[in-house]
Amino acid sequence: KNEVEQSPQNLTAQEGEFITINCSYSVGISALHWLQQHPGGGIVSLFMLSSGKKKHGRLIATINIQEKHSSLHITASHPRDSAVYICAVYYMEYGNKLVFGAGTILRVKS
Amino acid sequence: EAGVAQSPRYKIIEKRQSVAFWCNPISGHATLYWYQQILGQGPKLLIQFQNNGVVDDSQLPKDRFSAERLKGVDSTLKIQPAKLEDSAVYLCASSSRDRAEQYFGPGTRLTVT
Repeated sequence: KNEVEQSPQNLTAQEGEFITINCSYSVGISALHWLQQHPGGGIVSLFMLSSGKKKHGRLIATINIQEKHSSLHITASHPRDSAVYICAVYYMEYGNKLVFGAGTILRVKS
Repeated sequence: EAGVAQSPRYKIIEKRQSVAFWCNPISGHATLYWYQQILGQGPKLLIQFQNNGVVDDSQLPKDRFSAERLKGVDSTLKIQPAKLEDSAVYLCASSSRDRAEQYFGPGTRLTVT
């Protein structure tokens, strides 16, 4: 069964710390999404990538196709980064359907 | 560029009542998705439209849920009659094409009492 696993489930960090959230998946993906969800429900797309690395501000996303693994890094974390971070993948077997991980709850303390 | 718009943002209804949600995708986006997100879980796809045609509605409870996108732009999702287990956030997303980056709306939080 094609699933998406994230770790850790919960993460508490001190302001300024470097944060890493991990995502593992099965073979046969066409692309991977990193999403951010704040309390209140709205979801923001952070990155979509199928290879290599992308950077936007303090956020960096990497993907290793051979190891079937992606990481989301936050440098110089800030309390406003507190949110749920969700990894989702397009499995080629499932066509156009995104398969979502359970999310990582991040809390950054000041 | 305006984002995905949804209304209402919050809705409280009693079980067995009906409710409708509205979504206006990003201009020019051909693909529109409705998701249901129950508290503590990831979003679950209910239905996907490509223009005004249905691509995937395999997880839509068709006995009580219906959705339409008549002119290939905005869309409505209806629940009739609602059950307690329908309490969730209903998210609308759009993308320019299949398997492209999805842009999400703010969601509608439904509480069924």
